Amino acid sequence: DQQVKQNSPSLSVQEGRISILNCDYTNSMFDYFLWYKKYPAEGPTFLISISSIKDKNEDGRFTVFLNKSAKHLSLHIVPSQPGDSAVYFCAASERTGANNLFFGTGTRLTVIP
Amino acid sequence: NAGVTQTPKFQVLKTGQSMTLQCAQDMNHNSMYWYRQDPGMGLRLIYYSASEGTTDKGEVPNGYNVSRLNKREFSLRLESAAPSQTSVYFCASSWTPDQPQHFGDGTRLSIL
Repeated sequence: DQQVKQNSPSLSVQEGRISILNCDYTNSMFDYFLWYKKYPAEGPTFLISISSIKDKNEDGRFTVFLNKSAKHLSLHIVPSQPGDSAVYFCAASERTGANNLFFGTGTRLTVIP
Repeated sequence: NAGVTQTPKFQVLKTGQSMTLQCAQDMNHNSMYWYRQDPGMGLRLIYYSASEGTTDKGEVPNGYNVSRLNKREFSLRLESAAPSQTSVYFCASSWTPDQPQHFGDGTRLSIL
């Protein structure tokens, strides 16, 4: 049973606009969340993380929001660039430092020039 | 900047054959991991090694064995390959479990 869900398999946005990628989880014990980006024929690359003591974390154009009561997190990319076109994976673990990361199925983002 | 190197990149096996996937990292990381990725599913943890000399099962360990040969190298072995093990396999490493993991580019394995 998938504990981390990304219900949108794909998303297309215009260059310069905001991209919002969503992720839901079912395990209330998850308290550390990460986003990875993956290009074809490459491994996932770490993008940004957030622990459950925060509800927002920013790094340049990337912001992750966490809503613990809704068991929902989102990744905002502003402004979107063509180089952001990739598959984005959400991942979660039960405690910071736990070895078992649970990944979502991914959302393919296409940024249209 | 090699990072995490996986060999081979592609492999085709027949059912029942054995195979070892190799992984090496040059970042002096303590923890190493093996994942598989199947269509329509996220990456799933097969085995991990929190530090040199230790290994533990992840979410989907059945049919696999691992060896943490030294701090740099972590291999994954399929003793008797089955078609259900057709997948893309990723190796990853991190300084400690609370640091983000760095991934290799994957091994695409097909079992006929």
